[in-house]
Amino acid sequence: AQKITQTQPGMFVQEKEAVTLDCTYDTSDPSYGLFWYKQPSSGEMIFLIYQGSYDQQNATEGRYSLNFQKARKSANLVISASQLGDSAMYFCAMREGKTQGGSEKLVFGKGMKLTVNP
Amino acid sequence: NAGVMQNPRHLVRRRGQEARLRCSPMKGHSHVYWYRQLPEEGLKFMVYLQKENIIDESGMPKERFSAEFPKEGPSILRIQQVVRGDSAAYFCASSPLQGGSGANVLTFGAGSRLTVL
Repeated sequence: AQKITQTQPGMFVQEKEAVTLDCTYDTSDPSYGLFWYKQPSSGEMIFLIYQGSYDQQNATEGRYSLNFQKARKSANLVISASQLGDSAMYFCAMREGKTQGGSEKLVFGKGMKLTVNP
Repeated sequence: NAGVMQNPRHLVRRRGQEARLRCSPMKGHSHVYWYRQLPEEGLKFMVYLQKENIIDESGMPKERFSAEFPKEGPSILRIQQVVRGDSAAYFCASSPLQGGSGANVLTFGAGSRLTVL
């Protein structure tokens, strides 16, 4: 079974509108972390936001917020007021519990492509 | 304040040749990770290193792949006798702290794209 599922192959949104990118995860570990990364066409991976499994509040970072629904095992990324520069691939990732030697062993989803139209 | 530097950005090799990818972590970061991204896929963990030590290599293929992070100089990911299936983007990431819990965020480089002819 996939650990991270991103089912939307691609999305289109108008500039200045909000958009939600879906991510569901699968783990039996009570302690885990969830990450979102952005990959523009230039190829680099840019960290956006982090949510810990024990965090009481949904994470927010500027225009990014994470809609964390623990019981449903979903961690959707919400981008408010989309900008043209938000056009990119977006990856959801998870780190499960304690890892070997303190390794940041992230499991990534396959990603989804967001296109922001003017 | 340079980020994670990877070179070369693009590398073309013929089957059977060797590929060497280099990564200089961010200043002050002593933890280095290598991830591989196949076409149309997410990144997959390969190996985690600290200076002169391989800590977790559970994602490394058993043969032809090796990694090092010497006391001086960049981390090197080495692929011997490359095959077409090795064509991928190889990302290096670094962090200042030992990870495994909390919001220890990896800073990624721009990746090295290997094409095997």
